[in-house]
Amino acid sequence: GQQLNQSPQSMFIQEGEDVSMNCTSSSIFNTWLWYKQEPGEGPVLLIALYKAGELTSNGRLTAQFGITRKDSFLNISASIPSDVGIYFCAGQLKEYGNKLVFGAGTILRVKS
Amino acid sequence: NAGVTQTPKFRILKIGQSMTLQCTQDMNHNYMYWYRQDPGMGLKLIYYSVGAGITDKGEVPNGYNVSRSTTEDFPLRLELAAPSQTSVYFCASSYRGLADYEQYFGPGTRLTVT
Repeated sequence: GQQLNQSPQSMFIQEGEDVSMNCTSSSIFNTWLWYKQEPGEGPVLLIALYKAGELTSNGRLTAQFGITRKDSFLNISASIPSDVGIYFCAGQLKEYGNKLVFGAGTILRVKS
Repeated sequence: NAGVTQTPKFRILKIGQSMTLQCTQDMNHNYMYWYRQDPGMGLKLIYYSVGAGITDKGEVPNGYNVSRSTTEDFPLRLELAAPSQTSVYFCASSYRGLADYEQYFGPGTRLTVT
């Protein structure tokens, strides 16, 4: 089946540091989405990417749709304590209809 | 708009009991989904629906049933609860489906089966 490899699995960083995480696959995706989940809540959509090479920002967050369409990364600049949570990538495959495949998540902890 | 709402927030079931997890969205979305989330894992799709009266299996449908009688509601039924169904369940919805893959999630239901 389709698989997304998300890394790193977890990060413990100092407040103010930049963060980078990525998702890769052997499959070609049409869409990449990045979600954040806080404890006890559902995932919240951060950024959606629809074109290969697309680079999109949302405040301190920047995400890119890889040129090969098999990967995507998310960067967070100047991290703050409220960035804590689990970040998920999700991809959409043409042959998988409107369904999404999710990565296992990156747990982010920020030390202030 | 309330978005996607789920009830209950928490539930403890005994093995063999049944229950229905409720999901409602007020965004007039066509597509609705049920996922389960286990520790250290991504979200796994249980069932989905592309519109009222239409449902289909996802990746992990065994032990669950769904119905979609209205656009707004998409309940998930567990008939004979098993410990393997201990998980956090999320309902999600999205709009058109063909060119819009942005799914919006409810707050989740944490289910424990003992």
